[in-house]
Amino acid sequence: DAGITQSPRHKVTETGTPVTLRCHQTENHRYMYWYRQDPGHGLRLIHYSYGVKDTDKGEVSDGYSVSRSKTEDFLLTLESATSSQTSVYFCAIRRTSGDNEQFFGPGTRLTVL
Amino acid sequence: RKEVEQDPGPFNVPEGATVAFNCTYSNSASQSFFWYRQDCRKEPKLLMSVYSSGNEDGRFTAQLNRASQYISLLIRDSKLSDSATYLCVVNSNFGNEKLTFGTGTRLTIIP
Repeated sequence: DAGITQSPRHKVTETGTPVTLRCHQTENHRYMYWYRQDPGHGLRLIHYSYGVKDTDKGEVSDGYSVSRSKTEDFLLTLESATSSQTSVYFCAIRRTSGDNEQFFGPGTRLTVL
Repeated sequence: RKEVEQDPGPFNVPEGATVAFNCTYSNSASQSFFWYRQDCRKEPKLLMSVYSSGNEDGRFTAQLNRASQYISLLIRDSKLSDSATYLCVVNSNFGNEKLTFGTGTRLTIIP
């Protein structure tokens, strides 16, 4: 257990509304990641963070923004949700010891109608 | 060509059998390799890292073949609880540790 929680766990929203997903970790890890998972695709990286206020884009960042004002929280925002953003969103942390593996939160299931 | 390719399966295997999955990767500069398992509607969980020398954890053995750019996972004496999707994961961007995931191989163990 890497001490990662995500909120909300489920959300249904309408096209055009803003949505913010929260990832919270309790172990003070520097690196945090947001992924989305869709059928037929592997997990795809949206954005990642390598420290407070330090973020960078992943391969599918269009339509998403992130913020990290505290080590423990990494927020993912959909400024204006679209149906193509219906997905399962996973947050992950990376431990900087051992093999640098990533560990995942329980996920948020988002449906955009 | 996808960066990481896996046979999606499904593999339906009787309990107690041995099953093996392969995964190929396209970037010869890849540094780190992992197998994750993912149960239905759950998050991926690290199963094991994969080392050049090969590694074993109980009934699970992982091997890396850099020359042919593939990794493998062998499960011996399969249990019902091994039913899951197995994700092949490769780090091709050393430093930022951005992982590339395969789409997964679905395994069902049959009683």
